[in-house]
Amino acid sequence: QKEVEQDPGPLSVPEGAIVSLNCTYSNSAFQYFMWYRQYSRKGPELLMYTYSSGNKEDGRFTAQVDKSSKYISLFIRDSQPSDSATYLCAMRANAGGTSYGKLTFGQGTILTVHP
Amino acid sequence: DSGVTQTPKHLITATGQRVTLRCSPRSGDLSVYWYQQSLDQGLQFLIQYYNGEERAKGNILERFSAQQFPDLHSELNLSSLELGDSALYFCASSVEGGLGDTQYFGPGTRLTVL
Repeated sequence: QKEVEQDPGPLSVPEGAIVSLNCTYSNSAFQYFMWYRQYSRKGPELLMYTYSSGNKEDGRFTAQVDKSSKYISLFIRDSQPSDSATYLCAMRANAGGTSYGKLTFGQGTILTVHP
Repeated sequence: DSGVTQTPKHLITATGQRVTLRCSPRSGDLSVYWYQQSLDQGLQFLIQYYNGEERAKGNILERFSAQQFPDLHSELNLSSLELGDSALYFCASSVEGGLGDTQYFGPGTRLTVL
């Protein structure tokens, strides 16, 4: 079983829809949670960054972390065709050692927003 | 544009060969990370350097090695290449490499092994 599970989709929604993307994880040491967006043939770009549990909002994007359920979500409001990309969740443990800088990624969800 | 640069963009080579991928971090960043992205495995952490020293290691194959130079650029060396090494290789950088750091990714190098 992978440490981080993410439904690869693909997910197709009409413009203006609310999009919900989710990841579950098994490692209780994860404390830092991120969402990256990756356009085709480009590098991942950081969208949201959350430490521990709670919500964080940035424009049309809201990130939620529920550590008790080991579940994180990204909501996109008023989705636009330009939001079409692969969305990757990523996590990092609050521990040093040989995995100090390691980000553990989900498989990524392919999102298409059609006009 | 994240400020992280990677060269070359594309690399096509044959099995058994050796290649070197290069990464320049964002100005001021001391830590560099290497990741491999393939269709079946997703994005996997390989190795991290901080100011020239290895700091963290993932499931990096023994055929792969990396280093970070005094000017902070980094190189990832892949040798005895196999078909399964075909993937996108990303470099990321962060200010200090601490647990709370944000990692900024470069555009990647696409490696094709024939």
